Amino acid sequence: EVQLVESGGGLVQPGRSLKLSCAASGFTFSNYYMAWVRQAPKKGLEWVATISTSGSRTYYPDSVKGRFTISRDNAKSSLYLQMNSLKSEDTATYYCARQRGSSGNFDYWGQGVMVTVSS
Amino acid sequence: DVLMTQTPVSLPVSLGGQVSISCRSSQSLVHSDGNTYLHWYLQKPGQSPQLLIYRVSNRFSGVPDRFSGSGSGTDFTLKISRVEPEDLGVYYCLQSTHFPLTFGSGTKLEIK
Repeated sequence: EVQLVESGGGLVQPGRSLKLSCAASGFTFSNYYMAWVRQAPKKGLEWVATISTSGSRTYYPDSVKGRFTISRDNAKSSLYLQMNSLKSEDTATYYCARQRGSSGNFDYWGQGVMVTVSS
Repeated sequence: DVLMTQTPVSLPVSLGGQVSISCRSSQSLVHSDGNTYLHWYLQKPGQSPQLLIYRVSNRFSGVPDRFSGSGSGTDFTLKISRVEPEDLGVYYCLQSTHFPLTFGSGTKLEIK
């Protein structure tokens, strides 16, 4: 059974940093692209980042480019999201998701982790 | 960025009824590899989104055949027949043909 478990969320002040983690199990982690998707309170879904199987290619929307960094450790079956220079508009539930290739869908999602950016 | 316009925003339905949700993109979703990367998700209350349909019309594992997807180019439809209580929630379309990946704004399916 595919399982994705996020951790590392919490309350952080604007301008500070936070690192999210996602522990994967139930599949060969190194064979899949992985991604982060977020959802602001009572709002829709927003793609945040994608990383290739080896980690050599990463993709971001303009809203987080230069501030967020996606990475992975295939030996640990783990995905990460380093978030710097956080803004209030980054407040959201962050989901880890398995992605079927760079143009693929997100077929499995974690339960999500809440990040609140506030002073 | 590709704008995904979903309609309606809210969709009242009677149990056992049939509904359709529309998703229109601001540009063609046909990839250079010939595939169309348009997918549908359902987010039930308090849960993570779950994949229903991938690449326009393919049902994901375990998704009942009451759900069907169709469309091409810039115009796509999700149809749900014989609506059951577990179908209630917010439906989203996603395009992954072009970066940045973009979602529709959602359609809330609720009991009439």
